[in-house]
Amino acid sequence: EAQVTQNPRYLITVTGKKLTVTCSQNMNHEYMSWYRQDPGLGLRQIYYSMNVEVTDKGDVPEGYKVSRKEKRNFPLILESPSPNQTSLYFCASSLSLAGEGTQYFGPGTRLLVL
Amino acid sequence: DAKTTQPTSMDCAEGRAANLPCNHSTISGNEYVYWYRQIHSQGPQYIIHGLKNNETNEMASLIITEDRKSSTLILPHATLRDTAVYYCIVRASGGSYIPTFGRGTSLIVHP
Repeated sequence: EAQVTQNPRYLITVTGKKLTVTCSQNMNHEYMSWYRQDPGLGLRQIYYSMNVEVTDKGDVPEGYKVSRKEKRNFPLILESPSPNQTSLYFCASSLSLAGEGTQYFGPGTRLLVL
Repeated sequence: DAKTTQPTSMDCAEGRAANLPCNHSTISGNEYVYWYRQIHSQGPQYIIHGLKNNETNEMASLIITEDRKSSTLILPHATLRDTAVYYCIVRASGGSYIPTFGRGTSLIVHP
């Protein structure tokens, strides 16, 4: 089954404790991205990757890192989480930017930073 | 990518057609119109997309005006499970891509 998976789905942590949210897709998609969703602010893109070893900042990249060592995986790293990073996070992938690019979203990761 | 404008909320009776409008007056010639929906806090789900012509699939129909400055998503027979936030976005083919989802339209389908 074609899908985007994220882990963990729920996470409670404390300020400053490094964490990683994993994202994996099994559709051989080139393009992957991370969004955060906050009440009243909609979906905002954090980082995106156009292919292996190619990443770029989205609208709200501060406080986040990403890596794309393999095509299928695109982890989101919070080196020193802060309470303002409490949010609902979604990973997404699409086949390519070179044509029509329907995005497929993961189920979301709800993060609470105390 | 062009910005879009959608009504904040709409409601519809179950079994009736739901028509969700979207304005994208600054759309460029190579930009597609995409519709997604998000049920509660699940990941957004792709519905349909189009460039110039009207499109239909098993979920919905997309009507794009001739000048492409607006579009309408039509759910022909809305059900309670169609209650969701619907996002209209436009995006160009190729190049870097930072999509703007905006706040979407909250559609409530009532019995």
